[in-house]
Amino acid sequence: DTAVSQTPKYLVTQMGNDKSIKCEQNLGHDTMYWYKQDSKKFLKIMFSYNNKELIINETVPNRFSPKSPDKAHLNLHINSLELGDSAVYFCASSQAVAAETQYFGPGTRLLVL
Amino acid sequence: DQQVKQNSPSLSVQEGRISILNCDYTNSMFDYFLWYKKYPAEGPTFLISISSIKDKNEDGRFTVFLNKSAKHLSLHIVPSQPGDSAVYFCAASASGGGADGLTFGKGTHLIIQP
Repeated sequence: DTAVSQTPKYLVTQMGNDKSIKCEQNLGHDTMYWYKQDSKKFLKIMFSYNNKELIINETVPNRFSPKSPDKAHLNLHINSLELGDSAVYFCASSQAVAAETQYFGPGTRLLVL
Repeated sequence: DQQVKQNSPSLSVQEGRISILNCDYTNSMFDYFLWYKKYPAEGPTFLISISSIKDKNEDGRFTVFLNKSAKHLSLHIVPSQPGDSAVYFCAASASGGGADGLTFGKGTHLIIQP
């Protein structure tokens, strides 16, 4: 059973479009995250979400918005996609907000043309 | 500003020998360190971690050493096996800093030669 899953695995779209990436975890974890791995291969935190508390990395443009319908899901919506948004996006989860060990999904490879 | 640095982009080791991957950090607030392993087209997989109250943690073939005064940690894999070929990321967090996420290094690509 996949612990943290993401869909789609690949996403190719045009500049200016709006797209969503879905994430689900079946670990019963309380906290979920979105990370971005850019062309330089750095993995950087974008958001963490715990019990409806959202913590945003201030460098993330407000075109990006996480939405959590329930504790097991944290979806990422991106409006007005730009070329620089092309990256691999990873969802992760942890037992609690203070738990350091995070478990990652397989990633979504986004290409904006 | 890289707070976690992995200065070796790649490392080649013969099968059966010891692999040593290094990581340096600059933020003295970091108190929990992790190593993740990543295969192509997959997400990072948790490997081993260490708290700043320890200087060594061992799990099977994997041992992580922490030198707080030098702000340096290393991952030892012995003996190295072909399946260990992957990218290894060092990550750090500060006191239950889950909400702030993990700070990752750029990764080291480990290649195990048969």
